[in-house]
Amino acid sequence: GENVEQHPSTLSVQEGDSAVIKCTYSDSASNYFPWYKQELGKGPQLIIDIRSNVGEKKDQRIAVTLNKTAKHFSLHITETQPEDSAVYFCAAGDILTGGGNKLTFGTGTQLKVEL
Amino acid sequence: DGGITQSPKYLFRKEGQNVTLSCEQNLNHDAMYWYRQDPGQGLRLIYYSQIVNDFQKGDIAEGYSVSREKKESFPLTVTSAQKNPTAFYLCASSIASGLYGYTFGSGTRLTVV
Repeated sequence: GENVEQHPSTLSVQEGDSAVIKCTYSDSASNYFPWYKQELGKGPQLIIDIRSNVGEKKDQRIAVTLNKTAKHFSLHITETQPEDSAVYFCAAGDILTGGGNKLTFGTGTQLKVEL
Repeated sequence: DGGITQSPKYLFRKEGQNVTLSCEQNLNHDAMYWYRQDPGQGLRLIYYSQIVNDFQKGDIAEGYSVSREKKESFPLTVTSAQKNPTAFYLCASSIASGLYGYTFGSGTRLTVV
C-alpha cells in the first residue's frame, strides 16, 4: 500500500517569512495530492490539491509542487501570518483509476508563525 | 449550509463498553470514511464506504464496526475488542470519484476510562 512521509514534524518561522513542508510517497499509482490544514480541536480543511498531470499549482500565498519522478511534493506558504499557525497534513491517493478514493496521510507538520 | 456533522464532540466511556460515534452528511456525497488521529501518527483509515450497504476495512479496522444503511449516515462503533480506543475520530465524505478531495467533520474525542 501507499506510504507517505512528511517533514518536518514542527516548523517555526517569523511572520512574513516563507514556510516549506515536504512529503514523499511510495506508490507510483498515486495521482492526487491534497494538503489539509487543521486548527486545534477541528477537522482538517482542504487548502490546495494537485493532480499528477500538473507540476505546480498556486493559490494566492499557497503553492504546491509535484515531482513525479522523485515521488515527492511540497507545500510552500509565502508571507506567513499568525493565522497560518496550524497542523498541516499532506496526503496521496489514486482517485482516477478506481483505486477506491482512499487517501493516505502524512504524520503532520505543526507550523508556528511567530510575531 | 451543506456539511458533515459528527456527534458528540466529546465522549467518555468505561473500559469494556461499546460506543457508537455518529457521522451525518448532507452533501449528497457517495463515499464516506472514518479516520483515527493520534499524536504524531497522522490520520489512519479505519473503514470506508463508497456506496450504501457496502463498506471496506481500512488499515486499522480491528476492534471497530460500521454500517451504511443510508447515504447520509456512516456510524462507527468502537467495540470492547479495540485495545486502545482513546483517540480523536474524524469522519469524512467525498463524491464518488474523489476528484475534489474529502470534506471532514469536526471530530469526536473519545476517552475511555
